[in-house]
Amino acid sequence: EVQLVQSGAEVKKPGESLKISCKGSGYSFTSYWIGWVRQMPGKGLEWMGIIYPGDSDTRYSPSFQGQVTISADKSISTAYLQWSSLKASDTAMYYCARHGGGVSSTLDYWGQGTLVTVSS
Amino acid sequence: EIVMTQSPATLSVSPGERATLSCRASQSVSSNLAWYQQKPGQAPRLLIYGASTRATGIPARFSGSGSGTEFTLTISSLQSEDFAVYYCQQYNNWPLTFGQGTKLEIK
Repeated sequence: EVQLVQSGAEVKKPGESLKISCKGSGYSFTSYWIGWVRQMPGKGLEWMGIIYPGDSDTRYSPSFQGQVTISADKSISTAYLQWSSLKASDTAMYYCARHGGGVSSTLDYWGQGTLVTVSS
Repeated sequence: EIVMTQSPATLSVSPGERATLSCRASQSVSSNLAWYQQKPGQAPRLLIYGASTRATGIPARFSGSGSGTEFTLTISSLQSEDFAVYYCQQYNNWPLTFGQGTKLEIK
């Protein structure tokens, strides 16, 4: 069974750094792109960027380029999303999801989400 | 960036009735269009890909149609578990983009 299990909720202060994780199992982690999606409170879905764990090829949506860093450790089947300096506007639910058919494809399996709250 | 526009924002339908949700792309996305369902407190779930192909395990009452810039998701006979928010997503062009969602509520 394909599963993506994300790290738990985080509460941070503005200016702090953060790295959240997404561990894949039940499939060949290095053979599928993993994407990250943001959902701000009460809002819709925003695709942030993508990584291919096999070679760490990473691409970002222009809206998120320079704002976050996506990485992966294929030895432990885990992808990451990190911030160097959080802002209150980063408060959101963040989902990882597997791209089922290549870099431009649908998101066929999703993690349960990680809620990030940034507040002073 | 391709802008995806969904209509209506909210749709009120009675159980057992048909629901029709629309999605329009600002430029052609061919058939590279997916639909997702999201229930409160849950992650989205893939329903339809390739504009009209149901994902694994999705009931036959869900159907998708369209190509180019106009797409439709139809739920033929609404069940209680179908009341949720539905998003379309294009994966034809970079970056991938979602519509703003249609909330399907019980009438």
